Amino acid sequence: ETGVTQSPTHLIKTRGQQVTLRCSSQSGHNTVSWYQQALGQGPQFIFQYYREEENGRGNFPPRFSGLQFPNYSSELNVNALELDDSALYLCASSSSRTRGNEQFFGPGTRLTVL
Amino acid sequence: AQSVSQHNHHVILSEAASLELGCNYSYGGTVNLFWYVQYPGQHLQLLLKYFSGDPLVKGIKGFEAEFIKSKFSFNLRKPSVQWSDTAEYFCAEISGGYNKLIFGAGTRLAVHP
Repeated sequence: ETGVTQSPTHLIKTRGQQVTLRCSSQSGHNTVSWYQQALGQGPQFIFQYYREEENGRGNFPPRFSGLQFPNYSSELNVNALELDDSALYLCASSSSRTRGNEQFFGPGTRLTVL
Repeated sequence: AQSVSQHNHHVILSEAASLELGCNYSYGGTVNLFWYVQYPGQHLQLLLKYFSGDPLVKGIKGFEAEFIKSKFSFNLRKPSVQWSDTAEYFCAEISGGYNKLIFGAGTRLAVHP
């Protein structure tokens, strides 16, 4: 069984740039959620994708957008980067067929915005 | 809005000491509660979860948690910690709507040999 993978591991961008982060879900999982973990804080929910559509969104502006592909992998796109976007971005996959939709996390992408 | 509170931000213990980390959740409906652990340099891993039934839940690595509905609490315990338990611990609950996790701020545990 392959776990959740994310790429890249680390990324450095400057203010105003755009970034795309990628996530491959665990085998058998059809739902992907994205979280932002700022330094010293718990992860904050960004959005969730199910059947290639956004299935819920946290308190993040529209410049945070995403995609889910037919193979259930997903992308997180952030436009017009701001310094406060510097964080660890976590992807979690789950199965809608499992009670409580237990989420399995990837290692994260560390984004630094200069 | 739903929220999860963790009372201790930093905890320092010696090996073999007992551990209890506090967690309070706010959602009063059907609860789905979790404790996750993040070891240094590793990804978030599930320690244990509670959906219903026996309020004392046993997880991996000797951890357990007790769900007390009247106190909206889900505290994590371990009778005797080891140096390898040094990590950050997060309490979380599932939102009442779609399945988003709401995390507490985390507790950083350092265990000294």
